[in-house]
Amino acid sequence: SQQGEEDPQALSIQEGENATMNCSYKTSINNLQWYRQNSGRGLVHLILIRSNEREKHSGRLRVTLDTSKKSSSLLITASRAADTASYFCATEEGAQKLVFGQGTRLTINP
Amino acid sequence: AAGVIQSPRHLIKEKRETATLKCYPIPRHDTVYWYQQGPGQDPQFLISFYEKMQSDKGSIPDRFSAQQFSDYHSELNMSSLELGDSALYFCASSLNRGNEQFFGPGTRLTVL
Repeated sequence: SQQGEEDPQALSIQEGENATMNCSYKTSINNLQWYRQNSGRGLVHLILIRSNEREKHSGRLRVTLDTSKKSSSLLITASRAADTASYFCATEEGAQKLVFGQGTRLTINP
Repeated sequence: AAGVIQSPRHLIKEKRETATLKCYPIPRHDTVYWYQQGPGQDPQFLISFYEKMQSDKGSIPDRFSAQQFSDYHSELNMSSLELGDSALYFCASSLNRGNEQFFGPGTRLTVL
């Protein structure tokens, strides 16, 4: 079953622009994690935000969490060609398993 | 830094054969998770282990079984393989539950 719905499903921007991806979920969560996946490759952990946190930064990444709206956003600033990948949000439910959204395919055009 | 190791990286099997996938977690990590990702799909949780005991179970077929050994490595056993089992199988590990899950590179299983 899917927990997260990601928006948009695909995003294409110019290098240097900012990219924003959104994720909505349905149930109560312990935390929400964002992952990056290059085509057919492994999942790279980007950032974890706990349910009692509202915003978190890591380098060019900024994640927000609004538990009242059951939504999160991932902002990548000053995008680079190497940021081209699929981005997944994943919510951790009670017994630790991650439930992934459908993902956003991000393309950075040089 | 050491990462999650999965073997083999690629595996080709015939229908009705069996397959065993192995996962070696990051040292000191006590929790292992298995996920299946079909083509163009998001990863789906299969099963997890904490301190060698099954912790949670997802959409894992009865044909699949898994276990975590005393050295914390885990194996996913898949029997009576079907064409639909072709997918990327990821293992992830974490230190305790509720922390970041670090994923291995995956095993690409192709069933012919």
